[in-house]
Amino acid sequence: GDSVTQMEGPVTLSEEAFLTINCTYTATGYPSLFWYVQYPGEGLQLLLKATKADDKGSNKGFEATYRKETTSFHLEKGSVQVSDSAVYFCAFAKWGNQGGKLIFGQGTELSVKP
Amino acid sequence: NAGVTQTPKFRVLKTGQSMTLLCAQDMNHEYMYWYRQDPGMGLRLIHYSVGEGTTAKGEVPDGYNVSRLKKQNFLLGLESAAPSQTSVYFCASSYVPGQDYGYTFGSGTRLTVV
Repeated sequence: GDSVTQMEGPVTLSEEAFLTINCTYTATGYPSLFWYVQYPGEGLQLLLKATKADDKGSNKGFEATYRKETTSFHLEKGSVQVSDSAVYFCAFAKWGNQGGKLIFGQGTELSVKP
Repeated sequence: NAGVTQTPKFRVLKTGQSMTLLCAQDMNHEYMYWYRQDPGMGLRLIHYSVGEGTTAKGEVPDGYNVSRLKKQNFLLGLESAAPSQTSVYFCASSYVPGQDYGYTFGSGTRLTVV
């Protein structure tokens, strides 16, 4: 069935380290892909998105490229900051007879130490 | 703009009590969703609505009911609360989707059932 698999957390990095959070999905067709971020005590916010193969979404120094051949959408950032500490969710849009909805991964917690 | 507003933010219920969570959006979005978030399980869709007067079941609908009498409001009801319903509940909304829609989330309701 449709699903999203993210690398397990928590991920702990030092400030200015390189970040990769892996995400792969199982879905029919070529859905739009998203990364959401949840800061402590808040709801989820859209971080970036990509709507077709080879598209690169980017925002706030984060990037992710839609890889059709590997059904992946890995999140990267070249130099993380303490303020990036949050939970990151990968998701894709699924369509059916009852409309559309997002399918989320389980989330990856990132902790950045000074 | 207020975006998506959830009330209440916190609530403690005794087993068997009932309550209603309110979600209100001021963006004229057609779609609205209720998710629950539990540690290690990501976001799971409870119910959703593709327009005023419509509702549909999500992944974990048992023990919950919903209503969408007005386009801007989406109510989630617990008729007889159980400890297994202790969770953080998030409401989200979106436009009638194209290929690249995303959600706007509320800030969540933390519910504890004792």
